[in-house]
Amino acid sequence: TQLLEQSPQFLSIQEGENLTVYCNSSSVFSSLQWYRQEPGEGPVLLVTVVTGGEVKKLKRLTFQFGDARKDSSLHITAAQPGDTGLYLCAGAEGYGGSQGNLIFGKGTKLSVKP
Amino acid sequence: GAVVSQHPSRVICKSGTSVKIECRSLDFQATTMFWYRQFPKQSLMLMATSNEGSKATYEQGVEKDKFLINHASLTLSTLTVTSAHPEDSSFYICSAIPTGGWSNQPQHFGDGTRLSIL
Repeated sequence: TQLLEQSPQFLSIQEGENLTVYCNSSSVFSSLQWYRQEPGEGPVLLVTVVTGGEVKKLKRLTFQFGDARKDSSLHITAAQPGDTGLYLCAGAEGYGGSQGNLIFGKGTKLSVKP
Repeated sequence: GAVVSQHPSRVICKSGTSVKIECRSLDFQATTMFWYRQFPKQSLMLMATSNEGSKATYEQGVEKDKFLINHASLTLSTLTVTSAHPEDSSFYICSAIPTGGWSNQPQHFGDGTRLSIL
């Protein structure tokens, strides 16, 4: 069974600070997705990374997929209160035409205080 | 695009009641849909994979007779929690993958259903 360790579990910072969230696994994933979830709502996709070593930027968010496709990080620059939420990483099993299951990390609950 | 609608958003009912939750892909077809359960302050746990026209695949520990899944069309999957009890209270979320397309397409999630059993 593949596991995805996400850390930290909780993070409370002041507006303007930088932060990094990590997802690590001993297994290889075909792709890895980052989601953000607000209370009482479903997860919303932020990004999908597919290639080992891939870096994607989404405004102040930078996502990186490890060279071996076993780990990923999310870095937020100059965090704002609007970034508050639950961030989830999810690794996809399966390759090619296989629509594999997602293995979710436990999530990082981020709170950005003004 | 890729909108998934889940209904109802909230259900409160008495113990012993059966509850049906619908998951619809509004602007795409989905051969495969997934049902998750999320307890407070925890991550999403996959319950089952719903396949159009065939039986669902359940994860270990999930009772298929209690959580009935029907995926009768390419745009609709339903989850029925039969004879629900207070311990079934949770946040249930569905997701769908567009049929066809590239192999690493992400799952698109509904907004979830908050189920409270009294």
